[in-house]
Amino acid sequence: DQQVKQNSPSLSVQEGRISILNCDYTNSMFDYFLWYKKYPAEGPTFLISISSIKDKNEDGRFTVFLNKSAKHLSLHIVPSQPGDSAVYFCAASARNYGGSQGNLIFGKGTKLSVKP
Amino acid sequence: DSGVTQTPKHLITATGQRVTLRCSPRSGDLSVYWYQQSLDQGLQFLIQYYNGEERAKGNILERFSAQQFPDLHSELNLSSLELGDSALYFCASSGGTFYEQYFGPGTRLTVT
Repeated sequence: DQQVKQNSPSLSVQEGRISILNCDYTNSMFDYFLWYKKYPAEGPTFLISISSIKDKNEDGRFTVFLNKSAKHLSLHIVPSQPGDSAVYFCAASARNYGGSQGNLIFGKGTKLSVKP
Repeated sequence: DSGVTQTPKHLITATGQRVTLRCSPRSGDLSVYWYQQSLDQGLQFLIQYYNGEERAKGNILERFSAQQFPDLHSELNLSSLELGDSALYFCASSGGTFYEQYFGPGTRLTVT
């Protein structure tokens, strides 16, 4: 059973427009959410994160929104650039015993294509 | 550059063999995580170490084991390799009060 779901395998957006990537989760114990960007045969690159005590976090062109009641988060990229084309993974985490961050549970990813 | 290093970058070996993958975390990070990415499975958590101690286990096969050494580098040992073990293996690290995990470039393992 997938605890983190990204229901859109792909998304195509015109350069300069907004890209919205969505993610749903089922486990209410998750207390931290992250977005990663990944190119083929490379490691995931951390983009932005949000704690469960917040509903929005912004970093430059990237904004993550969290709706806990709906167990939904989204990543907004404004304006989108061709260099943003990559696979985006949503991930969630909960603390394990001892208080350290637990492992990440990843969604399957959404492939974003930004067209010039 | 995430600051996490992994060696080797590529590894080709035969079924039944044993290999060791190495990871050096970012300076100061106490936690190391291992993930496997295969074509049809996405990124799957294998195991976590925190300051030398095993902290959590995911869907790690009994043929796989790991350890974290006093200098905080970690090794993932894969034995009795099967064709299905062919995958990208990523190491990530995190530390302190920060929850973000930073990933290395990965080791691509091909079992023939």
